[in-house]
Amino acid sequence: SQQGEEDPQALSIQEGENATMNCSYKTSINNLQWYRQNSGRGLVHLILIRSNEREKHSGRLRVTLDTSKKSSSLLITASRAADTASYFCATVIIQGAQKLVFGQGTRLTINP
Amino acid sequence: KAGVTQTPRYLIKTRGQQVTLSCSPISGHRSVSWYQQTPGQGLQFLFEYFSETQRNKGNFPGRFSGRQFSNSRSEMNVSTLELGDSALYLCASRSPRGTADNSPLHFGNGTRLTVT
Repeated sequence: SQQGEEDPQALSIQEGENATMNCSYKTSINNLQWYRQNSGRGLVHLILIRSNEREKHSGRLRVTLDTSKKSSSLLITASRAADTASYFCATVIIQGAQKLVFGQGTRLTINP
Repeated sequence: KAGVTQTPRYLIKTRGQQVTLSCSPISGHRSVSWYQQTPGQGLQFLFEYFSETQRNKGNFPGRFSGRQFSNSRSEMNVSTLELGDSALYLCASRSPRGTADNSPLHFGNGTRLTVT
């Protein structure tokens, strides 16, 4: 079962532009995490935002969380070719078992 | 510190066979989770082991099983393979100080299983 759904499914932009990906989830959460996956590789943790936080930064990454809308966004500024990857949001359903559930991901392509 | 190591990297099996995949977590990590990733279903949680005990389980048939050893290394086994089992199988470990909710997962690069 999917808790998070990313939007768009695929995004293609020019190097140097900003990329925004959105994630919606269905149930109450304590935290939300974002991961990146390069083609054929494992996932890499990017950032965790807590339910009492509205915004968080890490380098060129900016994550927002709106618990009233059950949505989060990941902004990558000044994109680089190396940012080409799939990006996933992940949450734990509070009432459920302690397992991290991932969305379907956004496939981001940065064109040089 | 070495990362999560999964072996083998690639595997080709035929229908009806069984397969065993191996995962060595980051040193000191006692929680190991397994995920199946396919283009159609995305990342699906298989199970989690902690200190040699299965702590959580996803919605997969009994053909999928796993175990964890005293050194925290984990194996997963799939018996009577089906074509639909073709996938990237990812293993991840987590620091013992955290939970699934507040502690990041550290993933290996996966085992690509192809069933013909």
